[in-house]
Amino acid sequence: QQQVKQSPQSLIVQKGGISIINCAYENTAFDYFPWYQQFPGKGPALLIAIRPDVSEKKEGRFTISFNKSAKQFSLHIMDSQPGDSATYFCAASMVDSSYKLIFGSGTRLLVRP
Amino acid sequence: KAGVTQTPRYLIKTRGQQVTLSCSPISGHRSVSWYQQTPGQGLQFLFEYFSETQRNKGNFPGRFSGRQFSNSRSEMNVSTLELGDSALYLCASRLNRGYNEQFFGPGTRLTVL
Repeated sequence: QQQVKQSPQSLIVQKGGISIINCAYENTAFDYFPWYQQFPGKGPALLIAIRPDVSEKKEGRFTISFNKSAKQFSLHIMDSQPGDSATYFCAASMVDSSYKLIFGSGTRLLVRP
Repeated sequence: KAGVTQTPRYLIKTRGQQVTLSCSPISGHRSVSWYQQTPGQGLQFLFEYFSETQRNKGNFPGRFSGRQFSNSRSEMNVSTLELGDSALYLCASRLNRGYNEQFFGPGTRLTVL
């Protein structure tokens, strides 16, 4: 119940295309869903985050779509660029006092020029 | 504003030794969490410190410990190192326990030979 399942494991997209990464969770107590971007040799960087009371959040080319009833959320990267090539992690944390992040397994995105 | 800093960036140890890793959070941030990142297990929560007290602990053996100082800086210690402890150890800070946004440092790459 603590797991966050992420797919696909890897993704290849042409420059200008849309990259879509999906995550699913079981624990309805999760109340915060961030996405992190990680480049080789770097720590994860917070990209965008959403709470369950919102169905969609957009920041620039990055959009999170959230489906509370299906317990799924996804990251859409519009107009994907080679500089977006990185590993993306979805995560979730709970309403209790822990606030620890439960991470998905990661998606390695390659955007071809 | 400076980000989360971690030292050292790289460490090589042998089995049975112990190691101490250091983390300085973003100025003003009072909560520090530690995560282990490996290719096989992904990103896993180790523990969180706030106001010099451990608030939450992940499913790791007692060989993994940590502490936080009055200036919010944190250290984690791994005793009796095993080959499986080879990983990227990431520190994340956030403003307070009421804020979910966690910001990661670049990590310390630990190799156990």
